[in-house]
Amino acid sequence: DVVMTQSPLSLPVTLGQPASISCRSSQSLVSSDGNTYLNWFQQRPGQSPRRLIYKVSNRDSGVPDRFSGSGSGTDFTLKISRVEAEDVGVYYCMQGTHWPPLTFGGGTKVEIK
Amino acid sequence: EVQLVESGGGLVQPGGSLRLSCAASGFTFSTYSMNWVRQAPGKGLEWVSYISSTSTTTYYADSVKGRFTISRDNAKNSLYLQMNSLRDEDTAVYYCARDRIMGYWGQGTLVTVSS
Repeated sequence: DVVMTQSPLSLPVTLGQPASISCRSSQSLVSSDGNTYLNWFQQRPGQSPRRLIYKVSNRDSGVPDRFSGSGSGTDFTLKISRVEAEDVGVYYCMQGTHWPPLTFGGGTKVEIK
Repeated sequence: EVQLVESGGGLVQPGGSLRLSCAASGFTFSTYSMNWVRQAPGKGLEWVSYISSTSTTTYYADSVKGRFTISRDNAKNSLYLQMNSLRDEDTAVYYCARDRIMGYWGQGTLVTVSS
């Protein structure tokens, strides 16, 4: 199974400052069809997960452009250019290339300093 | 608007059974694969099961294989998860999510396995 490793576990950020979350996979996520199935999800306190980014860098409809995804192969990053109060929550990466099983990272908790 | 609404959760004793449902609306249910994902209290996300759009293909996490069964009724726009031989470690909020890249999620239903 592909292991997804996120860092840091916790990320205290000052409002208006940038934030960056790393996600590494135990093997390359490039699929035989040429796509890389790496998604990012946000889970605000008390809410269901919401997809922010799919296939590494494609932002979902309604997601603010301060969120961006990048990376390739085994190393991926979610960046928030300027953190706002509504960004507090836990962020998960997930791979859908080598499955089953679909596997998630352990999560990164973003909080305001 | 895409909506996924789970139901059927509750308190059950170890060894018991429960059937979860997920009612879908706002999209052509019969053309999408579906998943169940769970989240134990205070923990991260764990994929549980997958079913293709026509029910031809199903997959399960090793932790539930042989105990859980995923199914769907495209005429009723509904997804199901039959959970048997429940264990304490199955306690979690169970979410249904649309397709392999999980673009849409329901609000979840809580399953508590306890004596």
